[in-house]
Amino acid sequence: AQSVSQHNHHVILSEAASLELGCNYSYGGTVNLFWYVQYPGQHLQLLLKYFSGDPLVKGIKGFEAEFIKSKFSFNLRKPSVQWSDTAEYFCAVNQGDYKLSFGAGTTVTVRA
Amino acid sequence: EAEVAQSPRYKITEKSQAVAFWCDPISGHATLYWYRQILGQGPELLVQFQDESVVDDSQLPKDRFSAERLKGVDSTLKIQPAELGDSAMYLCASSLGNTRDTQYFGPGTRLTVL
Repeated sequence: AQSVSQHNHHVILSEAASLELGCNYSYGGTVNLFWYVQYPGQHLQLLLKYFSGDPLVKGIKGFEAEFIKSKFSFNLRKPSVQWSDTAEYFCAVNQGDYKLSFGAGTTVTVRA
Repeated sequence: EAEVAQSPRYKITEKSQAVAFWCDPISGHATLYWYRQILGQGPELLVQFQDESVVDDSQLPKDRFSAERLKGVDSTLKIQPAELGDSAMYLCASSLGNTRDTQYFGPGTRLTVL
């Protein structure tokens, strides 16, 4: 079964700092990769996704992620965070079937 | 913007009681998913429907959990009897039906078993 690892459980940073969240998956075949975000009091929503092509994919709210096939990684980045980016971030992977495997999530706290 | 609806939002029950959760997916979405999210973990798929058919229920504890989507639209997830370890957030999601399609999540039902 696919496993997804998120390196950081909780990240605390100040506004305008850069953010990078790590995500690694276990399967070496063709995968579809997703980052979901859950803002406080809201439901899970898609931040960005990657299927093929340019390994650098851009999502909503200034987020981007880079797929590095050789490292089985799909790290999420944002150059300058805002207080409103405080949320829980989940990496998810499926391998050609519908079943999404989620990481444990990273809680990001941005201090004003 | 269309959303996935779930009810109730919160449910407190005692051990050995029966509970049921309801989900109404986005109109036109053929695929419906039920996930369980334990505090501090990511969502874990319990069951997946394609229209009214179960596609994957490999992680569903079938001795106590059941799920149905009779007309291929809304869905019910039932637990009978509930156990202390069932306390979690139960999430419903839907998608058009392709593996690359975005899954849209509902607000979830927070279950507490006492």
